[in-house]
Amino acid sequence: EIVLTQSPGALSLSPGERATLSCRASQSVSRSYLAWYQQKPGQAPRLLIYGASSRATGIPDRFSGSGSGTDFNLTISRLEPEDFAVYYCQQYDSPPPVFTFGPGTKVDIK
Amino acid sequence: QVQLQESGPGLVKPSETLSLTCSVSGGSISGYYWTWIRQSPGKGLEWIGYIYYSGTTNYNPSLKSRVTISVDTSKNQFSLKLNSVTAADTAVYYCAKFYSSSWFNWFDPWGQGTLVTVSS
Repeated sequence: EIVLTQSPGALSLSPGERATLSCRASQSVSRSYLAWYQQKPGQAPRLLIYGASSRATGIPDRFSGSGSGTDFNLTISRLEPEDFAVYYCQQYDSPPPVFTFGPGTKVDIK
Repeated sequence: QVQLQESGPGLVKPSETLSLTCSVSGGSISGYYWTWIRQSPGKGLEWIGYIYYSGTTNYNPSLKSRVTISVDTSKNQFSLKLNSVTAADTAVYYCAKFYSSSWFNWFDPWGQGTLVTVSS
């Protein structure tokens, strides 16, 4: 099973700053099957990025994804107050089909 | 737009069966894949399994022996059964739409989630 590790575990930044979140896989992951989600307290996760770099519908362009192989990044170019949340990466592997999530990176206000 | 809502008991006794239903509104369940995911403080987000509207399923190997996902297209619902539960199955359970193609896949949208506690 592919294990995803996210770093840092937590990030304290100010609005307007740039955030770079890392997701590392224990084995190579297809770019097509790497996604990022945002979760706010008391809410379900929300899809941000699919295919490693494609923004989901309605996601602002300050969010961008990059990477390949075992190393992927989510970048938030300028943090808005509503961006302080936990971010998860997720991958798909087969056979058999298995989806795994990283442990998350919490972005909070400095 | 599609919305999902989980329902079911919030408390289940150890060794019994956890049963949840996801009601889909704003769109048809037919033609698509649907999934269950859970989240606990100890294990984070864990994919449980998915079902195609036709009834084809795939389950997480770690839970496969205890999980059944079914679909009722007439009610626009799909369901989760997890048997022989223990305290380790205590989690928030989410249902979500699973988009799958040859090029991409993702989970979106998600239901709001329902907390299920396993305790006597």
